[in-house]
Amino acid sequence: EVQLVESGGGLIQPGGSLRLSCAASGFTVSSNYMSWVRQAPGKGLEWVSLIYSGGTTYYADSVKGRFTISRDNSKNTLYLQMNGLRAEDTAVYYCARRDTSSWSFDYWGQGTLVTVSS
Amino acid sequence: EIVMTQSPATLSVSPGERATLSCRASQSVSSNLAWYQQKPGQAPRLLIYGTSTRATGIPARFSGSGSGTEFTLTISSLQSEDFAVYYCQQYNNWPPLTFGGGTKVEIK
Repeated sequence: EVQLVESGGGLIQPGGSLRLSCAASGFTVSSNYMSWVRQAPGKGLEWVSLIYSGGTTYYADSVKGRFTISRDNSKNTLYLQMNGLRAEDTAVYYCARRDTSSWSFDYWGQGTLVTVSS
Repeated sequence: EIVMTQSPATLSVSPGERATLSCRASQSVSSNLAWYQQKPGQAPRLLIYGTSTRATGIPARFSGSGSGTEFTLTISSLQSEDFAVYYCQQYNNWPPLTFGGGTKVEIK
C-alpha cells in the first residue's frame, strides 16, 4: 500500500529555517517524480516544488532561492528545506507523488502545518 | 503562468441532483487537466486526469469534459460523501503547476 507521511512542521519565527520530511512506503521515491504542495489556512492549493527521478528540481517563484527539495534514497524519504521563512509561507505542506500517466498527483500525505509567526 | 479560474465559488445542491463545476484556463492547456476532491482536514484526492480519465477507484458518477480553456466536472447524482471542495489543476505548461481556487459543493 502506498503511504506518504509528512513530519517536521511547527511554529517558527520569521527568517527561520525548517526541514520537512515525507517518509514513503509502498513505492520507491527515487523512481518517481515527487512534489510539495501547500495550502494556506482557508485557501486553495499552491504547488511549491518538484523533483524528477533523475534529480532535476523545479520551484515556484515564491520559494525559489529559499526552499530546497531533496531526497534520501536509503531512507525512501523526500525533504523540503525551508530557509528565510516568511509569514506568507504559513500553510499545511503536503508531499505528493506524480501519477505516472499524467502530471497530476495520485497519492498525497496527510500534511504538516508550518506556522511562521513571531 | 497559466491562471485557472473555477466557478462558481460555492454550489448548493440537493442529494441526488446533478452538479456541474467549471474550470477555465487563461490559455490553452490542451487536455492536460486534473480534478481533485478535498474534504475538511483531509488531503486532496485525485478524481480525474487527462480531462476525462477517472483515477483508480473513482465512481462513474464523476465525469470530466472539455478541452483548451474550458473544462467541466460533472457529478451525476450527488451522494452525501461528495460534499467537499473541488480543485482543477493544469499540467500543460509548467513550471509552475497551477490550481484553480476551488469550488465548494454544499448541501442545499
